[in-house]
Amino acid sequence: DQQVKQNSPSLSVQEGRISILNCDYTNSMFDYFLWYKKYPAEGPTFLISISSIKDKNEDGRFTVFLNKSAKHLSLHIVPSQPGDSAVYFCAASALRYGGSQGNLIFGKGTKLSVKP
Amino acid sequence: GAVVSQHPSRVICKSGTSVKIECRSLDFQATTMFWYRQFPKQSLMLMATSNEGSKATYEQGVEKDKFLINHASLTLSTLTVTSAHPEDSSFYICSARDRGAGGNYGYTFGSGTRLTVV
Repeated sequence: DQQVKQNSPSLSVQEGRISILNCDYTNSMFDYFLWYKKYPAEGPTFLISISSIKDKNEDGRFTVFLNKSAKHLSLHIVPSQPGDSAVYFCAASALRYGGSQGNLIFGKGTKLSVKP
Repeated sequence: GAVVSQHPSRVICKSGTSVKIECRSLDFQATTMFWYRQFPKQSLMLMATSNEGSKATYEQGVEKDKFLINHASLTLSTLTVTSAHPEDSSFYICSARDRGAGGNYGYTFGSGTRLTVV
């Protein structure tokens, strides 16, 4: 059973517009959420994160929103740039409850294409 | 920032041989290291978690005798794929975690290894 779900395998957006990537989770024990950007044959690159005690975190063009009651988070990229084209993974962890290990659980990813 | 070096980046081996993948934390001590596997167009699936000096904890369905993990020091973990078969061909990624309290919660990923078994 997938604990972290990214239901949109792909998203296409025009340059300059907003990209919204969605992620749903089922485990209420998750208390940290991270977004990664990944290119083929490369490791994930950390983008932004949010703790469960917050509902919003912003870093430049990237903003992550967390709705705990809905078990839903989203990544907003504005304005979108062609260089943002990549696969974006949502990941969650129950660090507080998982002890020192606290492994990350990943969604399947959403491929974002930003067209010039 | 924290850097994790993983190599080789690509390896092609013959069926039945063993392949070792190294993961090093370059400027921090990794209390925990994770090994992931990614199939094409799929998520990163956790294979095992290892703490320095202790046995790795494998996820359900992962053969511990096939995927040997050694975490001999706080800066080095290795994954050895033994008696490799074509179905082991995949992209393997390591992650090292320190006690960092930064935005990434201490998780740093290696650049991955593309294994092709022929």
